[in-house]
Amino acid sequence: QKEVEQNSGPLSVPEGAIASLNCTYSDRVSQSFFWYRQYSGKSPELIMSIYSNGDKEDGRFTAQLNKASQYVSLLIRDSQPSDSATYLCAAFSYGNNRLAFGKGNQVVVIP
Amino acid sequence: ETGVTQTPRHLVMGMTNKKSLKCEQHLGHNAMYWYKQSAKKPLELMFVYSLEERVENNSVPSRFSPECPNSSHLFLHLHTLQPEDSALYLCASSQDGDFTEAFFGQGTRLTVV
Repeated sequence: QKEVEQNSGPLSVPEGAIASLNCTYSDRVSQSFFWYRQYSGKSPELIMSIYSNGDKEDGRFTAQLNKASQYVSLLIRDSQPSDSATYLCAAFSYGNNRLAFGKGNQVVVIP
Repeated sequence: ETGVTQTPRHLVMGMTNKKSLKCEQHLGHNAMYWYKQSAKKPLELMFVYSLEERVENNSVPSRFSPECPNSSHLFLHLHTLQPEDSALYLCASSQDGDFTEAFFGQGTRLTVV
């Protein structure tokens, strides 16, 4: 089982809609979770971190964490063409002392 | 600009060459990392340095040799690479060696011919 799994395939959303990205992780002791945005040809950029169950909002981004279900998600409200990128989910486990990344989810916002 | 600078941005090298990648962070962080990003694969952690000491080496081939002379600089020395080593090599840093909020450099696009 992969440590961090993200939905396969690009996600196309119309401009102004909500983009929803999901991520599951296998290590029950994972304690810190991150979402990175990576534009084509660029490096990953940290956009959200979440450490406790529930929702965390930052501007148009909302991260949701459910440790019981080992599930973390990212919502992008009022999607803009500039949100078109690959979004990487990452989970850190103090037990393994490493940050594991998913393959990423490509989001395409259609004007 | 995240405060983590990598050079060169692009590198083409032959299989018999020796080259080095450089990373410098201006964030006052204590931990630095090397990652490899290949097409359609998750980011792979290669090396971790915390307070200038290597704390993890994820079974990386010996043709990759890291060096961390101080907490602001990190090198990746390359020799006798293979074409499958072609990838984007990313440097990252964080305040401590627990990866909390790691910030990435722009990466070095390496092509081995």
